Amino acid sequence: EDQVTQSPEALRLQEGESSSLNCSYTVSGLRGLFWYRQDPGKGPEFLFTLYSAGEEKEKERLKATLTKKESFLHITAPKPEDSATYLCAVQNDYKLSFGAGTTVTVRA
Amino acid sequence: DAGITQSPRHKVTETGTPVTLRCHQTENHRYMYWYRQDPGHGLRLIHYSYGVKDTDKGEVSDGYSVSRSKTEDFLLTLESATSSQTSVYFCAISGPPGAPTRNEQFFGPGTRLTVL
Repeated sequence: EDQVTQSPEALRLQEGESSSLNCSYTVSGLRGLFWYRQDPGKGPEFLFTLYSAGEEKEKERLKATLTKKESFLHITAPKPEDSATYLCAVQNDYKLSFGAGTTVTVRA
Repeated sequence: DAGITQSPRHKVTETGTPVTLRCHQTENHRYMYWYRQDPGHGLRLIHYSYGVKDTDKGEVSDGYSVSRSKTEDFLLTLESATSSQTSVYFCAISGPPGAPTRNEQFFGPGTRLTVL
């Protein structure tokens, strides 16, 4: 059974204070690792797909990296608008298995 | 929301009543999915569809049924709602035409269902 564990559950940051979110996974046949952002009351918004160990993707202040057992989402110099819940998911066949998410709060 | 709408957006119903949630897409994606999201559990797959009239069960399918008679519509039915089905339900799509290997799923805005 595919498993995804995200840590920490919650992260409070000061504006400009860089940090990283962790996503550890076990999957029988990884077809992709996905990062989503979710704002309160809304659906998840797609951020990145990573397919192989060593791959990196960037978008504004976010950078996602992938190893054989985990992925990191690095937030560089965060702003209050980066406050959200960040979800990690792994794909096996056409189905996604999600972690419970990390809720990030960035204070001005 | 990638051309995905869900209806209704909010619903309150009573235990034992049937409920149908609708997902409509304008993107002509092949795959459609229903998830539920509960605190502490994250998103869990209920059912998915890989084409018109082709559906399969996810990890939490008990008490739910689905139908897909057209590419653009995917219906989720709770035959007899229970309080444990109180949740936020999300529809997602993937597999745009001409790109069958693209795996990203795009989500709708969600339906908040309360079963009293």
